[in-house]
Amino acid sequence: GESVGLHLPTLSVQEGDNSIINCAYSNSASDYFIWYKQESGKGPQFIIDIRSNMDKRQGQRVTVLLNKTVKHLSLQIAATQPGDSAVYFCAEDDTGGAAGNKLTFGGGTRVLVKP
Amino acid sequence: EPEVTQTPSHQVTQMGQEVILRCVPISNHLYFYWYRQILGQKVEFLVSFYNNEISEKSEIFDDQFSVERPDGSNFTLKIRSTKLEDSAMYFCASSTTRRTGGREQYFGPGTRLTVT
Repeated sequence: GESVGLHLPTLSVQEGDNSIINCAYSNSASDYFIWYKQESGKGPQFIIDIRSNMDKRQGQRVTVLLNKTVKHLSLQIAATQPGDSAVYFCAEDDTGGAAGNKLTFGGGTRVLVKP
Repeated sequence: EPEVTQTPSHQVTQMGQEVILRCVPISNHLYFYWYRQILGQKVEFLVSFYNNEISEKSEIFDDQFSVERPDGSNFTLKIRSTKLEDSAMYFCASSTTRRTGGREQYFGPGTRLTVT
């Protein structure tokens, strides 16, 4: 269940450092955004979400920032751990929740945590 | 913690054969989805399903595809006559409500479909 993609951008980070993963979205009508983590052989795992009426949301060790002006989304992971090594996807939804939602995924970023 | 389950984990089939991929969504969820991920490509939306009918479907979801909730727990994706380009990882997902929060979708581990 991994996105193997030969052209997948990779972020190498030292254990304990903070990670920032960026995502540019294309649809200005999107009102809901999610970050997913995908480990090898598994399905996408929900990390955190944010609605378009917010610009920042914090979770446990993670923060999502939304800049609607430039259509940019980022995920910050504090004190990155070896278990954070995975492929991270952003996804957007422009349905307004009116039709059961339809997520459009980005291409993904591979995060490698060095011990 | 409740989770979405999918069976089988890997399905190999010959071109032209019918396949049924099975999913058990999280028990109190109301919305169900199928996505697919061709190797090396993005996760793509196929279909959403609510109240025993399709809410939305993508261009990929043509007449060869169908979905069904045959009972209170299972959600299936059927491909009537598989093509080589149907080879992909198929993910089932579910979510609670569409408007009042709970828009996050929870994904199953996927079924790898290989069409030969």
